[in-house]
Amino acid sequence: DGGITQSPKYLFRKEGQNVTLSCEQNLNHDAMYWYRQDPGQGLRLIYYSQIVNDFQKGDIAEGYSVSREKKESFPLTVTSAQKNPTAFYLCASTRTENTGELFFGEGSRLTVL
Amino acid sequence: AQSVTQLDSHVSVSEGTPVLLRCNYSSSYSPSLFWYVQHPNKGLQLLLKYTSAATLVKGINGFEAEFKKSETSFHLTKPSAHMSDAAEYFCVVSSYSSASKIIFGSGTRLSIRP
Repeated sequence: DGGITQSPKYLFRKEGQNVTLSCEQNLNHDAMYWYRQDPGQGLRLIYYSQIVNDFQKGDIAEGYSVSREKKESFPLTVTSAQKNPTAFYLCASTRTENTGELFFGEGSRLTVL
Repeated sequence: AQSVTQLDSHVSVSEGTPVLLRCNYSSSYSPSLFWYVQHPNKGLQLLLKYTSAATLVKGINGFEAEFKKSETSFHLTKPSAHMSDAAEYFCVVSSYSSASKIIFGSGTRLSIRP
């Protein structure tokens, strides 16, 4: 079955460490997105990519980095510059840019110790 | 510019009673509207979508929503709540004519009382 796979599901990190969250899709979708979700809040856009080797900052890109070397893959690195990284991270994809019909992964929960 | 407002942060209903989750939107262009459901520690799943066809949209698990342009609303309803409906629900707006990104509402938490 086609879908989006995020890993790891749970991740613990010490302050000052960079961590990379994996997102892989086999839906042949062009656009991919990373969102952050904090308790009791909606989703906030971190980065998005419409095509391979191109990506744009979202609303809260500071302290994060991404790459899009392959259509299927859109990893997110949470750097030590991110002041408050503990959150639930969601990866999503759509067939084309700007359609709201998103397909989501199961999420990755990052906890900074 | 686009925006979406979910009017209730928390809704609680008894099992077997109707569900109403309210969503108002603002868009300069013809919008596409969506409802998503999120169970705890899970990703979001599409419930239903409106993309300028029929104004009454039926989705999965017995949910439906009606697009009312005059009221700029897209409320989500279900005739009879089930315990498994307890979750967070998000209203989303997007527009092909707009360069802005997909806009999420802040979410409504639905609780079901036995």
